[in-house]
Order: sequence, then structure tokens, then C-alpha cells
Amino acid sequence: DIQLTQSPSFLSASVGDRVTITCRASQDISSYLAWYQQKPGKAPNLLIYVASTLQSGVPSRFSGSGSGTEFTLTISSLQPEDFATYYCHQLNSYPQSFGGGTKVEIK
Amino acid sequence: EVQLVESGGGLVKPGGSLRLSCAASGFSFSTYSMNWVRQAPGKGLEWVSSISPSSNYIYYADSVKGRFTISRDNTKNSLFLQMNSLRAEDTAVYYCARCVREACVAAGSGVAVWGQGTTVTVSS
Repeated sequence: DIQLTQSPSFLSASVGDRVTITCRASQDISSYLAWYQQKPGKAPNLLIYVASTLQSGVPSRFSGSGSGTEFTLTISSLQPEDFATYYCHQLNSYPQSFGGGTKVEIK
Repeated sequence: EVQLVESGGGLVKPGGSLRLSCAASGFSFSTYSMNWVRQAPGKGLEWVSSISPSSNYIYYADSVKGRFTISRDNTKNSLFLQMNSLRAEDTAVYYCARCVREACVAAGSGVAVWGQGTTVTVSS
């Protein structure tokens, strides 16, 4: 089974900061990785799929990169509405798996 | 509007059973693989199960294998999760989920559509 390790698990940042979250896979998953944002009490929202494709309607300050075993989600300029928890998700093979999450809080 | 609406959650005793339903609308349900994803209180997301459009391929997480059964009725645009032998650790919000593309795995996809979730609590 493929394990995904996200880092950091917690991040404190200010509005306007550039933020980078890393997701490492325990084996090669090609580019079959997605990123989600989740706010308390809400379902997750797809941001990025196939490692770097921006989902329709998602602001361009979000970007994804990577392939193989190392991936990053970058928020170029953090906005107040971006304070949330972020998850990576591998869709290379079954069983699908999610990273443990990165909570982004206001500094 | 593309929509998924779950129902069937509730409070059940350990060892009990529950059947979750997900009503889909706004898209061609019969052509998409479908998934269940859960989230325990204060925890991260956990993939539970997936089913192919014609129910030919079914997958489960090890944590639910042998206890949960996923099924679908394409004539009624509905997805189901039969949960038996429930344990305290099955307590979670259960989401019905559809990918961007008709297939999820190895298909350049991600989960684009989520239901609002239904809460399952397993407690005596």
C-alpha cells in the first residue's frame, strides 16, 4: 500500500506569505496526485489534480508540482480565506490514500 | 447542478449495522466510478471503498474489508454502503464522492464532487 507523508503538519503564516506544503509518497505514483482544501464542518474542495492541473474555479495563486514520489502545493500569496487544512491524495493505485493533512493557521 | 446527497447515518451500537445511501443528480451517474470517503472526528480523510460504473470492480480499505459492502443502482442514480459489525473506530462523517473523470485511479483524476456527508456514530 502507498503511504503519503505531508509536511509540515501545522503551519503558521501571515496574509501575503508564500506557502509551500510537501507530500511524499512511499513509492512512485507518477503524477496521480490531487490536493484538497478543507474548512471546518465542510467537505473537502479539489484544488489540483494530476499533480499540477488547476481545478476549474480555483484561484491561480494555488499551484502544484512534482512527480514520482515528491510533490508540492504552493500558495503564492496567502489570503484570509486560505486558512484551512490541506490534504494530498494518491490515485495511482488501490487502495487510494490520503496524506495526514497540513493545517494552515494565521500567525 | 451536479449534486450528491447522503443519508442513512445515525447512532448505532457496536456490532450493529447501518446502510448509507447517496442520491446523485446532474450528471450521467452510470458512467462514473463512485467512492466512499470518511473522516473520524478531528482526524484526516480516509478512503473507504470504490465501485466501477457497472459494479464489475469493487475495492475496499483493509479496515472495512469483510464488514462493509458497496453497491449501486444505476437505474435510480444511487450509491450505497452496507456497514455491518460496526466498531467504535468506524465513527466518522461518511462522504459520497465522484472524481473529475469517469474513472478515478490511474486516470488523471481527483475527487471533484463531494456530498455534504452523513454522520455515523458507533457507541453503546
